[in-house]
Amino acid sequence: ETGVTQTPRHLVMGMTNKKSLKCEQHLGHNAMYWYKQSAKKPLELMFVYSLEERVENNSVPSRFSPECPNSSHLFLHLHTLQPEDSALYLCASSQDRVSVIPSSYNEQFFGPGTRLTVL
Amino acid sequence: GIQVEQSPPDLILQEGANSTLRCNFSDSVNNLQWFHQNPWGQLINLFYIPSGTKQNGRLSATTVATERYSLLYISSSQTTDSGVYFCAVHRRGSQGNLIFGKGTKLSVKP
Repeated sequence: ETGVTQTPRHLVMGMTNKKSLKCEQHLGHNAMYWYKQSAKKPLELMFVYSLEERVENNSVPSRFSPECPNSSHLFLHLHTLQPEDSALYLCASSQDRVSVIPSSYNEQFFGPGTRLTVL
Repeated sequence: GIQVEQSPPDLILQEGANSTLRCNFSDSVNNLQWFHQNPWGQLINLFYIPSGTKQNGRLSATTVATERYSLLYISSSQTTDSGVYFCAVHRRGSQGNLIFGKGTKLSVKP
């Protein structure tokens, strides 16, 4: 495997289910991100992890729970979701999270996404 | 927060035509990336270009950081160029998350 992978690619779940999305990066990066893309809305950041520590939670509801056990893996645990949570969930990684000056270490690479439907 | 505006929102081209997509941003940036999102949702990196000019085959990009805009040029367009093109920026001094524009939806007709 190369780059950033995500599983599953498609997921249909009921509002009472619990499921998890998985992301794995094979790039040796130190930062990982979860983004959400809803219909007709710009991509928006959900969570940022740097060296396995969560550094930003963009006011995401608690029914979304991230986990980063190591710098290569990122999970998004889902429970009691709402139909409006149906969206494309994208994982990304970068070498570093932030730098004072422009640096290619900040370039983010995305996985193929998980298309989630909540019934 | 920083605003990212892309234009045009929609673009229809005949195969072989050239096009220019624009991205305006409202604050100084450390990172600017152009992506192509294919019909399956995958975001494909086109350019990392916080300033200057880069070229990759039929695509090129220019960012004028002092004037807060970036341009993506597509020459001799092909049907496989269809999809949504996103500009995304990382504001200087922020925590590293990318702020995306709403995208330009490109349709190339044979």
